[in-house]
Amino acid sequence: EVQLLESGGDLVQPGGSLRLSCAASGFTFSSSAMSWVRQAPGKGLEWVASTSGSGDSTDYADSVKGRFTISRDNSKNTLYLQINTLGDEDTALYFCAKHGGPQVYSYFDLWGRGTLVIVSS
Amino acid sequence: DIQMTQSPSTLSASVGDRVTITCRASHSIGSWLAWYQQKPGKAPKLLIYKASSLESGVPSSFSGSGSGTEFTLTISSLQPDDFATYYCQQYYSYSNFGQGTKVEIK
Repeated sequence: EVQLLESGGDLVQPGGSLRLSCAASGFTFSSSAMSWVRQAPGKGLEWVASTSGSGDSTDYADSVKGRFTISRDNSKNTLYLQINTLGDEDTALYFCAKHGGPQVYSYFDLWGRGTLVIVSS
Repeated sequence: DIQMTQSPSTLSASVGDRVTITCRASHSIGSWLAWYQQKPGKAPKLLIYKASSLESGVPSSFSGSGSGTEFTLTISSLQPDDFATYYCQQYYSYSNFGQGTKVEIK
């Protein structure tokens, strides 16, 4: 079955760190560019970060640049998002998404169900 | 940065209505635009990519058009399953979404 399964979301104190994971199955993961997209409670969608299939090329939204790191382990078919210096504005449901094309910027044709990050003291 | 503006923010319609949602980009993005449907508590679902290409498995009642800075998503005959929130996304430069259009029952 073609699917993405996120994990790692948690309740974290401000200033804390977290690593999110996304396990992929049912498609050739190493050939697929991937992204993280987040959605704050009751709000719209915000693209966070993207990586190429090889992991050599990455890019980030200005709102997270310098604090978030996207990476992947193609041997494990897994995408990661390291989140540091968490603030209230990072509270959101974090989705991983597969790109429809090989470019770092693309539409997303497969989404996971999301993992919830809550930043609160 | 390219800003995406959807209108309207909320749309009240009845089953069988023809519905049109507009998305405007602050700079030309060619045809690098996608549309998604999202229901409460669920992940977004791809409907349209490259402005007018219908994703496999999506009903033909959905269609997209436009290029440059103005785009539309049309639902030709609204069905009960279509009441949801719709987002446009540009992927010409970086990637970002419109603020969403909620289609609710009239």
